[in-house]
Amino acid sequence: GQQVMQIPQYQHVQEGEDFTTYCNSSTTLSNIQWYKQRPGGHPVFLIQLVKSGEVKKQKRLTFQFGEAKKNSSLHITATQTTDVGTYFCAALTGGGNKLTFGTGTQLKVEL
Amino acid sequence: NAGVTQTPKFQVLKTGQSMTLQCAQDMNHNSMYWYRQDPGMGLRLIYYSASEGTTDKGEVPNGYNVSRLNKREFSLRLESAAPSQTSVYFCASSLTGSATQYFGPGTRLLVL
Repeated sequence: GQQVMQIPQYQHVQEGEDFTTYCNSSTTLSNIQWYKQRPGGHPVFLIQLVKSGEVKKQKRLTFQFGEAKKNSSLHITATQTTDVGTYFCAALTGGGNKLTFGTGTQLKVEL
Repeated sequence: NAGVTQTPKFQVLKTGQSMTLQCAQDMNHNSMYWYRQDPGMGLRLIYYSASEGTTDKGEVPNGYNVSRLNKREFSLRLESAAPSQTSVYFCASSLTGSATQYFGPGTRLLVL
């Protein structure tokens, strides 16, 4: 089945540093979604990208969809302790609304 | 609006015991999903239901059964629990035509 690879698996940063997580697929994706899961919590939808080369921003978060629609990235500028959690990308799989999730990037922010 | 609810929150089972995890949503969504989450493995789809009356296998269906009781409820059953089924189980739902999924709070299951 379709696989979505996500790197890095873990990232520790000092508060105020930037953070980026990358999502890659061997096949062309129709769209890509990003979710955030706080420690002990459940995944929460952040955003969906559909168009080739699309860039969307949410405050300090910038999401990009590659030109070939095979990769995506999430960049956080000037991390804060509230950014702690695991970030997952997810792509539509086959027909319907099934999603294949990446393995996630766990972000820890130290003061 | 409670969104997606799951019961129980925590459960400890002995190997061979059975149990049913309950999930309900009040958002009038057609599609519902069951995932398991293990460290370093992300979220893996166990079963899903595109609409009331239909269910299909996901990536890791072995050892599980599901029932789409009505539009609101989607249950996951472990007939004979095994230690390999120790995990966190999430239920999710989505509207037809939208891939955005809304997750419940999860059930933490430990099989001894």
